[in-house]
Amino acid sequence: GESVGLHLPTLSVQEGDNSIINCAYSNSASDYFIWYKQESGKGPQFIIDIRSNMDKRQGQRVTVLLNKTVKHLSLQIAATQPGDSAVYFCAEIKIGYGGATNKLIFGTGTLLAVQP
Amino acid sequence: NAGVMQNPRHLVRRRGQEARLRCSPMKGHSHVYWYRQLPEEGLKFMVYLQKENIIDESGMPKERFSAEFPKEGPSILRIQQVVRGDSAAYFCASSPGGGRRETQYFGPGTRLLVL
Repeated sequence: GESVGLHLPTLSVQEGDNSIINCAYSNSASDYFIWYKQESGKGPQFIIDIRSNMDKRQGQRVTVLLNKTVKHLSLQIAATQPGDSAVYFCAEIKIGYGGATNKLIFGTGTLLAVQP
Repeated sequence: NAGVMQNPRHLVRRRGQEARLRCSPMKGHSHVYWYRQLPEEGLKFMVYLQKENIIDESGMPKERFSAEFPKEGPSILRIQQVVRGDSAAYFCASSPGGGRRETQYFGPGTRLLVL
């Protein structure tokens, strides 16, 4: 079946260090991947996405890498700040055609704890 | 431009009661998704709707749960005869609709507690 899983449930880093959050996915037919950040008591917040025809995409302080050979996704956060502390989810989607479902399949999440 | 709005933010019900959760999508968005999140778990897809149409309800429990997105007004997720296992955070997301790439923007969620 379809599933998205994370290698590390908790990641603790020092403020100013770089963070790397990893994710494995199982559905080779997925063609769109997203990282969300969820702070306590809030809804998931879109961070960055990547299509399957790319292997890297950069945003502000964040980079997503996609390795389709091993079905692996990672989120890199540069110069991690206390405000980055949250649970991070990767999600995959198989783009539908003509109105078919675009449901997100989420992993279980990684808690990023930034130590001052 | 207001984001996705959900109400109530917190809802307490006793077993057997009904729960009604509301979601107003972002302005200009015509696609709505409902997800459920159990404590310390990821979000699980429930249902995907467009105005007046259910597109995919493959994640909805077969009984007691229903969803609608009328032509006017918010999307409603309705849970009849709630049980303790329904206690969870329910998130709504919306997207613009059309095109292949649809980023889903989430609301703050409704936290349902069944006593």
